[in-house]
Amino acid sequence: QSVLTQPPSVSGAPGQRVTISCTGSSSNIGAGYDVHWYQQLPGTAPKLLIYGNSNRPSGVPDRFSGSKSGTSASLAITGLQAEDEADYYCQSYDSSLWVFGGGTKLTVL
Amino acid sequence: EVQLVESGGGLIQPGGSLRLSCAASGFTVSSNYMSWVRQAPGKGLEWVLVIYSGGSTYYADSVKGRFTISRDNSKNTLYLQMNSLRAEDTAVYYCARLYGDFQRGWFDPWGQGTLVTVSS
Repeated sequence: QSVLTQPPSVSGAPGQRVTISCTGSSSNIGAGYDVHWYQQLPGTAPKLLIYGNSNRPSGVPDRFSGSKSGTSASLAITGLQAEDEADYYCQSYDSSLWVFGGGTKLTVL
Repeated sequence: EVQLVESGGGLIQPGGSLRLSCAASGFTVSSNYMSWVRQAPGKGLEWVLVIYSGGSTYYADSVKGRFTISRDNSKNTLYLQMNSLRAEDTAVYYCARLYGDFQRGWFDPWGQGTLVTVSS
């Protein structure tokens, strides 16, 4: 059971917008710690997608955006593409350790 | 280009030991916070341990007393010494740089991962 809670799966058709939630508590996201997001394509290592709640590393399309409010954070993907099909993980900090969400599998219909 | 390349994984019997290596290029391991993160088959990501630039180390409770993180500055390489291995340690092990203010930090880059299978 992960400290950060994500939906196990989400889906959307090409071109649509989807959001993935990451729910924490007062000891992690609610304590002011930043949330970061990773994309893991099938059979590959995780890749940084969003850092510091809403910042995109160089090379990440602006179709991906992040936000944080209270004890939760969200990842939004607009203009969904087939290559976005992957697992997505949120990450933050809690009580002297780094914590991840359980992951969300995005299926592009 | 910053890059991490792990090696050393394999099949090991319960109770055995294994050492993983993570060679870095494009940045200096000793000047950064470095971590190991693992992923059991079909499961999510689990942070395992970190070594700070000053040398302090912190471990997840699941590996405390069994795993040790270290580095060789001359080789710009990070190591993970795993002792008293258990079946539940079976996972792909990734090394990653913990970037930014460490409590607010994020993991980037990641290595390609190395699979450790603990089984008799």
